[in-house]
Amino acid sequence: KAGVTQTPRYLIKTRGQQVTLSCSPISGHRSVSWYQQTPGQGLQFLFEYFSETQRNKGNFPGRFSGRQFSNSRSEMNVSTLELGDSALYLCASSSWVGNTEAFFGQGTRLTVV
Amino acid sequence: AQTVTQSQPEMSVQEAETVTLSCTYDTSESDYYLFWYKQPPSRQMILVIRQEAYKQQNATENRFSVNFQKAAKSFSLKISDSQLGDAAMYFCAYRSGRQGGSEKLVFGKGTKLTVNP
Repeated sequence: KAGVTQTPRYLIKTRGQQVTLSCSPISGHRSVSWYQQTPGQGLQFLFEYFSETQRNKGNFPGRFSGRQFSNSRSEMNVSTLELGDSALYLCASSSWVGNTEAFFGQGTRLTVV
Repeated sequence: AQTVTQSQPEMSVQEAETVTLSCTYDTSESDYYLFWYKQPPSRQMILVIRQEAYKQQNATENRFSVNFQKAAKSFSLKISDSQLGDAAMYFCAYRSGRQGGSEKLVFGKGTKLTVNP
């Protein structure tokens, strides 16, 4: 069974640009969450989706957005990139809401220059 | 809001020895879950062990066990017979157990564990 797949693995963008990151959950999983990991702030929750609906959102500016498709794949978008957006973005999936077994992908390393 | 604190930024242990990583948390909820995740240099977060707050018995997974002190809001991880492959960042995490609630995980800042041969 394939794990959580995040693409791309690495990304370099320029300030002011926008970026889209993708997460394919484990087959059959319908819940997807996103986290931002930085050395200074640690791991911070971005948002979570279930059945194409955003269930919860973290304390991030509106430049951060996401969506989930009918096949449970999820994307997150960051517009007007800032240097501080440089981070490892992690996606986690679980089979159903309330399931405590969340599986993480290997992340996308975003560098903003 | 819930918070998770890991007071040890770095720890080291000799191979085959035992090490304990500390974690404290703050919450007003009575139903919740606690986790320890391992993040090796590959960056992938791997679930090590979980504890349901309503269970008094401490969780155990092979060489990994926890000491869950609910009243003290403490959740430490003990690694026995440490192996070189245990070297990684370890994160303590909290999740609300509220019915239909969020799956949001609140993480501590992490403890970097070094295993010396």
